[in-house]
Amino acid sequence: EADIYQTPRYLVIGTGKKITLECSQTMGHDKMYWYQQDPGMELHLIHYSYGVNSTEKGDLSSESTVSRIRTEHFPLTLESARPSHTSQYLCASSEAGAADNEQFFGPGTRLTVL
Amino acid sequence: DAKTTQPPSMDCAEGRAANLPCNHSTISGNEYVYWYRQIHSQGPQYIIHGLKNNETNEMASLIITEDRKSSTLILPHATLRDTAVYYCIVRGSGNTPLVFGKGTRLSVIA
Repeated sequence: EADIYQTPRYLVIGTGKKITLECSQTMGHDKMYWYQQDPGMELHLIHYSYGVNSTEKGDLSSESTVSRIRTEHFPLTLESARPSHTSQYLCASSEAGAADNEQFFGPGTRLTVL
Repeated sequence: DAKTTQPPSMDCAEGRAANLPCNHSTISGNEYVYWYRQIHSQGPQYIIHGLKNNETNEMASLIITEDRKSSTLILPHATLRDTAVYYCIVRGSGNTPLVFGKGTRLSVIA
């Protein structure tokens, strides 16, 4: 069982609010990722990090931002939430090094912006 | 990373083997084939991966053709709990992030 956690699991919030989705892992993984998934659709990579103070944008453009100050923590922030941000956000992590390391996923945060 | 092609949906009778195909004709020599599944809206779950040889673990078997242009995931005795979307992913060297396609929606029927 993967030790990767996301909070909150569900969030309903009004337009214009600032929100932070939390992701933490206790496996000491250097690499962490954020994916966005609309209902019934495929996952899209929006951010990733290969270590502390390293962040990169993924394949899907996103208005969210991320930070990586500690190895175990990779929060995602929306400065001003909009209804178009309504989606599920999935966090993942993996070890660095070997070419075939598995990515472990958290349970996801389902965000609804009214 | 090489693209993959999977059928959008498949059905399988409970207790029978589920064979999920994947085409990856542009795969290069150092790219791995990964399989993940996603049950309902949970986070994707790793199943198995391989490079050249066939692989087996407690969940499934992975059969990769000799030319590596296609592979098959086999769930030997499918149960209702195996109903999920199954993703075949080709991943480049350097441990790059997984890129998900649309996958195959497997329905296991009682």
